[in-house]
Amino acid sequence: DAGVTQSPTHLIKTRGQQVTLRCSPKSGHDTVSWYQQALGQGPQFIFQYYEEEERQRGNFPDRFSGHQFPNYSSELNVNALLLGDSALYLCASSLGSNGELFFGEGSRLTVL
Amino acid sequence: ELKVEQNPLFLSMQEGKNYTIYCNYSTTSDRLYWYRQDPGKSLESLFVLLSNGAVKQEGRLMASLDTKARLSTLHITAAVHDLSATYFCAVDILGGAQKLVFGQGTRLTINP
Repeated sequence: DAGVTQSPTHLIKTRGQQVTLRCSPKSGHDTVSWYQQALGQGPQFIFQYYEEEERQRGNFPDRFSGHQFPNYSSELNVNALLLGDSALYLCASSLGSNGELFFGEGSRLTVL
Repeated sequence: ELKVEQNPLFLSMQEGKNYTIYCNYSTTSDRLYWYRQDPGKSLESLFVLLSNGAVKQEGRLMASLDTKARLSTLHITAAVHDLSATYFCAVDILGGAQKLVFGQGTRLTINP
């Protein structure tokens, strides 16, 4: 049983570019959340998707957007990249909002 | 705004010793998580504490929750090198909707 899978694992972008990160939830899970973890910090909640809609959102600008597909997979898009967007982006999935969260290995984004 | 504070942030200890990591949070919540993170890796769920007075143990780790004091502790008994990692506590600010606010993490190093 595959757990939460994310792609790509590493990527490098330059300021002003756009990036798309992808997440496939654990089999049977329907809820996907995204977190940003800067180096040496705890993860910060970006948003959560359920039934293809954004249900909760953290304190992130509109440059951060997402999408959930009918198969429950999800994308995180970041526009107009800033140096400060360099971080590990973690996807977590669960069954419903009360289920146990499972985290993926993350996508490490470096913005130059 | 909910704040989650861990202490200590860095902890170096010898094998065989006992120690406690503290997690304080600033608003009411009855759902608290502990995670472990190895360098360059994702988050591994250790404990989910769902009510006041909850205590859970797994091997050399024991976690407890006091919702009245807004305090959780992670106690390490007879530490071994394999427990070296960064430990995070996280509070669910929406009581089950999984919008987690993480502490800064405690980097634990256990020396032979």
